[in-house]
Amino acid sequence: EIVLTQSPGTLSLSPGERATLSCRASQTVTSSYLAWYQHKPGQAPRLLIYGASSRATGIPDRFIGSGSGTDFTLTISRLEPEDFAVYYCQQYGSSSSTFGQGTKVEIK
Amino acid sequence: EVQLVESGGGLVQPGGSLRLSCAASGFTFSTYWMSWVRQAPGKGLEWVANIKQDGIEKYYVDSVKGRLTISRDNAKTALYLQMNSLRAEDTALYYCARIYHSSSGYGMDVWGQGTTVTVS
Repeated sequence: EIVLTQSPGTLSLSPGERATLSCRASQTVTSSYLAWYQHKPGQAPRLLIYGASSRATGIPDRFIGSGSGTDFTLTISRLEPEDFAVYYCQQYGSSSSTFGQGTKVEIK
Repeated sequence: EVQLVESGGGLVQPGGSLRLSCAASGFTFSTYWMSWVRQAPGKGLEWVANIKQDGIEKYYVDSVKGRLTISRDNAKTALYLQMNSLRAEDTALYYCARIYHSSSGYGMDVWGQGTTVTVS
């Protein structure tokens, strides 16, 4: 099983600031199979990025996915008030899937 | 409107059974892989199972193998999760999700609102 480790656990930032979230895999992940989600309390998770760097439909261009191999990054270029949430990375491969433990982006 | 609506959750005793359903609408259900994902109270997301379009190819997280069974009925555009031998650690909010799967990438692009299972 591929373990995904997200860091930091919590990111305290102000609106307008840049957020950089890391997702490190215990084994190489095929880039096509790395996704990022946003999850707010009481809501369903929302797909942000698939294929490591492609934005899902309707996702603003301030959300940027990058990386390959075992190191992936989600960057939010300028935080908007609605961006404060928990973010998860997910990998799919070899007939199984795993999520990272999540990074909470909170208002400073 | 593309929509997934889960149902069937509830309170069940350890060792008991439950069947979750997910009604899909607004898209061609039979052409998508589908998935169950859960979130235990205060915890993160956990992938549970995937099922291919034909309902034959299925994959599970190790912790549920032999106890939980994913299935689908393409004619009824419905996804199911049969849950047997339930344990306290199965307590969670269960989401069904549509899988976007192509050469350009993989992701769960449509999610339901979830149904709660409590084992106690």
